[in-house]
Amino acid sequence: AQKITQTQPGMFVQEKEAVTLDCTYDTSDQSYGLFWYKQPSSGEMIFLIYQGSYDEQNATEGRYSLNFQKARKSANLVISASQLGDSAMYFCAMRALNTGFQKLVFGTGTRLLVSP
Amino acid sequence: AAGVIQSPRHLIKEKRETATLKCYPIPRHDTVYWYQQGPGQDPQFLISFYEKMQSDKGSIPDRFSAQQFSDYHSELNMSSLELGDSALYFCASRSTGAEETQYFGPGTRLLVL
Repeated sequence: AQKITQTQPGMFVQEKEAVTLDCTYDTSDQSYGLFWYKQPSSGEMIFLIYQGSYDEQNATEGRYSLNFQKARKSANLVISASQLGDSAMYFCAMRALNTGFQKLVFGTGTRLLVSP
Repeated sequence: AAGVIQSPRHLIKEKRETATLKCYPIPRHDTVYWYQQGPGQDPQFLISFYEKMQSDKGSIPDRFSAQQFSDYHSELNMSSLELGDSALYFCASRSTGAEETQYFGPGTRLLVL
Protein backbone atom coordinates (compact mmCIF):
# COMPACT_ATOMS: atom_id res chain seq x y z
CA ALA A 1 0.00 0.00 0.00
CA GLN A 2 1.08 3.54 -0.63
CA LYS A 3 0.54 6.62 1.51
CA ILE A 4 1.15 10.27 0.75
CA THR A 5 1.36 12.91 3.48
CA GLN A 6 1.09 16.63 2.86
CA THR A 7 1.42 18.37 6.21
CA GLN A 8 0.78 21.93 5.03
CA PRO A 9 -2.95 22.59 4.66
CA GLY A 10 -2.20 26.08 3.39
CA MET A 11 0.76 28.17 2.29
CA PHE A 12 1.05 31.87 1.67
CA VAL A 13 3.70 33.45 -0.56
CA GLN A 14 4.29 36.81 -2.18
CA GLU A 15 4.51 37.21 -5.91
CA LYS A 16 7.99 36.56 -7.38
CA GLU A 17 9.12 34.62 -4.32
CA ALA A 18 9.91 30.89 -4.31
CA VAL A 19 7.83 28.44 -2.30
CA THR A 20 8.29 24.80 -1.28
CA LEU A 21 5.33 22.47 -0.85
CA ASP A 22 6.11 19.43 1.26
CA CYS A 23 5.30 15.83 0.40
CA THR A 24 6.39 12.66 2.14
CA TYR A 25 5.45 9.17 1.09
CA ASP A 26 5.48 5.61 2.26
CA THR A 27 5.54 2.54 0.08
CA SER A 28 6.91 -0.99 0.03
CA ASP A 29 7.28 -0.87 -3.75
CA GLN A 30 10.81 -0.81 -5.15
CA SER A 31 9.81 1.09 -8.26
CA TYR A 32 7.38 3.96 -8.04
CA GLY A 33 6.51 7.30 -9.55
CA LEU A 34 5.81 10.59 -7.82
CA PHE A 35 3.59 13.27 -9.34
CA TRP A 36 2.42 16.77 -8.59
CA TYR A 37 -0.90 18.10 -9.83
CA LYS A 38 -2.38 21.59 -9.61
CA GLN A 39 -6.10 22.12 -9.09
CA PRO A 40 -7.30 25.71 -9.58
CA SER A 41 -10.65 26.84 -8.23
CA SER A 42 -12.21 25.92 -11.58
CA GLY A 43 -11.65 22.28 -10.64
CA GLU A 44 -9.52 20.76 -13.37
CA MET A 45 -6.50 18.64 -12.39
CA ILE A 46 -3.37 19.83 -14.17
CA PHE A 47 -0.22 17.67 -14.32
CA LEU A 48 2.90 19.57 -13.28
CA ILE A 49 5.86 17.27 -12.84
CA TYR A 50 6.90 13.61 -12.55
CA GLN A 51 9.79 11.89 -10.79
CA GLY A 52 10.60 8.21 -11.07
CA SER A 53 12.15 6.48 -8.08
CA TYR A 54 14.97 5.31 -10.29
CA ASP A 55 15.79 8.80 -11.59
CA GLU A 56 19.09 10.05 -10.23
CA GLN A 57 18.43 13.69 -11.07
CA ASN A 58 15.65 15.84 -9.72
CA ALA A 59 12.93 16.58 -12.25
CA THR A 60 12.41 20.12 -13.49
CA GLU A 61 9.67 21.63 -15.67
CA GLY A 62 9.99 25.36 -16.20
CA ARG A 63 9.37 27.07 -12.85
CA TYR A 64 8.62 23.75 -11.16
CA SER A 65 11.24 21.47 -9.70
CA LEU A 66 10.90 18.39 -7.56
CA ASN A 67 13.30 18.03 -4.65
CA PHE A 68 13.48 14.24 -4.43
CA GLN A 69 15.18 12.77 -1.37
CA LYS A 70 14.73 9.03 -1.59
CA ALA A 71 16.28 8.16 1.77
CA ARG A 72 13.95 10.60 3.50
CA LYS A 73 11.00 9.52 1.32
CA SER A 74 10.23 13.09 0.40
CA ALA A 75 9.27 14.69 -2.89
CA ASN A 76 8.84 18.38 -2.30
CA LEU A 77 7.63 20.70 -5.05
CA VAL A 78 9.52 23.95 -5.48
CA ILE A 79 7.85 26.75 -7.40
CA SER A 80 10.22 29.55 -8.32
CA ALA A 81 9.16 33.13 -9.01
CA SER A 82 5.55 32.65 -7.89
CA GLN A 83 2.80 34.19 -9.99
CA LEU A 84 -0.74 35.15 -9.05
CA GLY A 85 -1.97 32.35 -11.30
CA ASP A 86 -0.18 29.83 -9.11
CA SER A 87 -2.87 30.24 -6.44
CA ALA A 88 -4.50 26.82 -6.35
CA MET A 89 -4.66 23.48 -4.56
CA TYR A 90 -1.60 21.30 -5.09
CA PHE A 91 -1.73 17.52 -4.78
CA CYS A 92 1.19 15.16 -4.44
CA ALA A 93 0.46 11.65 -5.74
CA MET A 94 2.25 8.38 -6.29
CA ARG A 95 1.79 5.03 -7.93
CA ALA A 96 3.71 1.80 -8.14
CA LEU A 97 5.46 1.10 -11.42
CA ASN A 98 5.60 -2.68 -11.12
CA THR A 99 2.51 -3.08 -13.27
CA GLY A 100 1.17 -0.89 -15.99
CA PHE A 101 -2.16 -0.03 -14.49
CA GLN A 102 -1.55 1.10 -10.94
CA LYS A 103 -3.85 3.80 -9.68
CA LEU A 104 -2.69 7.12 -8.30
CA VAL A 105 -2.82 7.63 -4.54
CA PHE A 106 -3.14 11.28 -3.55
CA GLY A 107 -2.24 13.32 -0.52
CA THR A 108 -4.73 15.67 1.09
CA GLY A 109 -3.36 18.66 -0.77
CA THR A 110 -1.88 22.06 0.06
CA ARG A 111 -3.71 25.26 -0.79
CA LEU A 112 -1.29 27.92 -2.04
CA LEU A 113 -2.20 31.58 -2.03
CA VAL A 114 0.02 34.00 -3.92
CA SER A 115 -0.39 37.64 -3.01
CA PRO A 116 0.66 40.73 -5.03
CA ALA B 1 -2.53 19.10 -28.03
CA ALA B 2 -5.69 17.07 -27.57
CA GLY B 3 -6.84 16.56 -24.02
CA VAL B 4 -9.19 14.23 -22.22
CA ILE B 5 -12.82 15.13 -22.87
CA GLN B 6 -15.55 14.54 -20.34
CA SER B 7 -19.25 15.06 -20.73
CA PRO B 8 -21.38 16.42 -19.35
CA ARG B 9 -19.41 19.00 -17.41
CA HIS B 10 -22.22 19.55 -14.92
CA LEU B 11 -25.09 17.29 -13.95
CA ILE B 12 -27.93 17.69 -11.49
CA LYS B 13 -29.93 14.61 -10.50
CA GLU B 14 -32.50 13.67 -7.91
CA LYS B 15 -31.99 10.91 -5.36
CA ARG B 16 -32.56 7.42 -6.75
CA GLU B 17 -32.07 8.59 -10.35
CA THR B 18 -29.37 7.29 -12.70
CA ALA B 19 -26.51 9.13 -14.37
CA THR B 20 -24.06 8.31 -17.14
CA LEU B 21 -20.73 10.07 -17.37
CA LYS B 22 -18.65 9.86 -20.53
CA CYS B 23 -14.92 10.08 -21.07
CA TYR B 24 -12.98 10.38 -24.31
CA PRO B 25 -9.26 9.74 -23.71
CA ILE B 26 -6.39 11.42 -25.45
CA PRO B 27 -5.91 9.79 -28.89
CA ARG B 28 -3.72 6.66 -28.75
CA HIS B 29 -4.10 6.42 -24.97
CA ASP B 30 -5.15 2.88 -24.11
CA THR B 31 -5.83 3.13 -20.37
CA VAL B 32 -8.62 5.03 -18.69
CA TYR B 33 -9.01 5.72 -14.97
CA TRP B 34 -12.00 7.07 -13.05
CA TYR B 35 -11.62 9.06 -9.82
CA GLN B 36 -14.15 10.61 -7.46
CA GLN B 37 -13.34 13.79 -5.54
CA GLY B 38 -15.75 14.76 -2.78
CA PRO B 39 -15.94 18.37 -1.55
CA GLY B 40 -12.69 19.36 0.14
CA GLN B 41 -11.17 15.93 -0.39
CA ASP B 42 -8.48 14.36 -2.51
CA PRO B 43 -9.40 12.22 -5.53
CA GLN B 44 -10.18 8.60 -4.82
CA PHE B 45 -9.68 5.88 -7.41
CA LEU B 46 -12.80 4.09 -8.61
CA ILE B 47 -11.92 1.85 -11.54
CA SER B 48 -9.62 1.54 -14.55
CA PHE B 49 -9.61 -0.08 -17.98
CA TYR B 50 -6.84 -1.19 -20.28
CA GLU B 51 -7.62 -2.20 -23.84
CA LYS B 52 -11.32 -2.42 -22.98
CA MET B 53 -10.78 -4.80 -20.06
CA GLN B 54 -11.12 -3.82 -16.42
CA SER B 55 -7.59 -3.56 -15.05
CA ASP B 56 -8.11 -2.44 -11.45
CA LYS B 57 -10.94 -1.67 -9.09
CA GLY B 58 -11.01 0.65 -6.12
CA SER B 59 -13.71 1.83 -3.77
CA ILE B 60 -16.46 1.83 -6.35
CA PRO B 61 -19.98 1.21 -5.02
CA ASP B 62 -21.91 -1.73 -6.43
CA ARG B 63 -24.43 0.82 -7.73
CA PHE B 64 -21.78 2.05 -10.14
CA SER B 65 -20.56 0.25 -13.23
CA ALA B 66 -18.23 1.23 -16.03
CA GLN B 67 -16.90 0.00 -19.31
CA GLN B 68 -14.51 0.93 -22.06
CA PHE B 69 -15.65 0.69 -25.66
CA SER B 70 -13.91 -0.30 -28.86
CA ASP B 71 -13.06 3.35 -29.63
CA TYR B 72 -11.48 3.55 -26.13
CA HIS B 73 -14.03 5.95 -24.75
CA SER B 74 -15.39 4.99 -21.34
CA GLU B 75 -18.68 5.45 -19.53
CA LEU B 76 -19.39 5.45 -15.82
CA ASN B 77 -22.96 4.45 -15.02
CA MET B 78 -24.34 5.40 -11.65
CA SER B 79 -27.70 4.13 -10.41
CA SER B 80 -29.83 4.75 -7.32
CA LEU B 81 -28.00 7.99 -6.74
CA GLU B 82 -27.51 9.12 -3.16
CA LEU B 83 -26.77 12.56 -1.74
CA GLY B 84 -23.25 11.37 -0.92
CA ASP B 85 -22.55 10.74 -4.60
CA SER B 86 -22.34 14.50 -5.14
CA ALA B 87 -18.74 15.01 -6.20
CA LEU B 88 -16.37 15.88 -9.00
CA TYR B 89 -15.75 12.84 -11.19
CA PHE B 90 -12.53 12.75 -13.12
CA CYS B 91 -11.48 10.59 -15.99
CA ALA B 92 -7.77 10.27 -16.70
CA SER B 93 -5.97 8.56 -19.54
CA ARG B 94 -2.51 7.20 -20.13
CA SER B 95 -0.53 5.58 -22.89
CA THR B 96 0.66 2.43 -21.12
CA GLY B 97 4.23 1.58 -22.00
CA ALA B 98 4.92 5.04 -23.41
CA GLU B 99 4.81 7.23 -20.31
CA GLU B 100 3.89 7.11 -16.65
CA THR B 101 1.73 10.22 -16.38
CA GLN B 102 -2.05 10.12 -16.17
CA TYR B 103 -3.67 13.14 -17.81
CA PHE B 104 -6.94 14.26 -16.32
CA GLY B 105 -10.04 15.56 -18.00
CA PRO B 106 -11.85 18.67 -16.73
CA GLY B 107 -14.18 16.56 -14.62
CA THR B 108 -17.95 16.17 -14.35
CA ARG B 109 -19.49 17.95 -11.40
CA LEU B 110 -22.44 15.88 -10.17
CA LEU B 111 -24.95 17.29 -7.74
CA VAL B 112 -27.55 14.95 -6.28
CA LEU B 113 -30.56 16.67 -4.71
